Amino acid sequence: DIQLTQSPSFLSASVGDRVTITCRASQGLSSSLAWYQQKPGKAPKLLIYTASTLQSGVPSRFSGSGSGTEFTLTISSLQPEDFATYYCQHLNRVTFGQGTRLEIK
Amino acid sequence: EVHLVESGGGLVKPGGSLRLSCAASGFTFSSYSMNWVRQAPGKGLEWVASISTSSTYIYYADSVRRRFTISRDNAENSLHLQMNSLRAEDTAVYYCARDKDNSRERGMDVWGQGTTVTVSS
Repeated sequence: DIQLTQSPSFLSASVGDRVTITCRASQGLSSSLAWYQQKPGKAPKLLIYTASTLQSGVPSRFSGSGSGTEFTLTISSLQPEDFATYYCQHLNRVTFGQGTRLEIK
Repeated sequence: EVHLVESGGGLVKPGGSLRLSCAASGFTFSSYSMNWVRQAPGKGLEWVASISTSSTYIYYADSVRRRFTISRDNAENSLHLQMNSLRAEDTAVYYCARDKDNSRERGMDVWGQGTTVTVSS
């Protein structure tokens, strides 16, 4: 089974910071990866699919890149509403990474 | 507006059964493959099961195969998850979620609010 490992697991940052979250796969995924944002007590929200395609309605400060075994989610300038937990997902096998919790410094 | 609303969660003893439902509205339910995803308390997301539009293709996570059954009723715009032989480790919030563009390759773009299942004696 393909494993997804996110790093870091926990990230502390300030409003306005640029942050990057990495998702590494144990085998090549091509571009078959998505990113989700989840806030406490809420359902996940699709941000990015096929590694780099921005979901409709998602702010352009979110971007995704990568292919094969290494992928990144970048938030160019953190806003207060961005503090949440982020998950990557292997689309073909629906496997999720363990999550990255982004908190306010 | 597109909506998914789960129901059927509750407290059940180990070894017991529960049937979850997900009511869809605001879109052509029969045109989308659907999923169940769960989240144990304080833990990450775990995909549980998927079903194609006509129920032709059904997939399960290893952790629930042979215990859970996913089904759908396109006439009633509803998705179901029959859960048997429940274990403590099945305790979680269960979400139903739609495959974007009816494709597993585009992520899950619509989610319900979740229903809580607690397995405890």
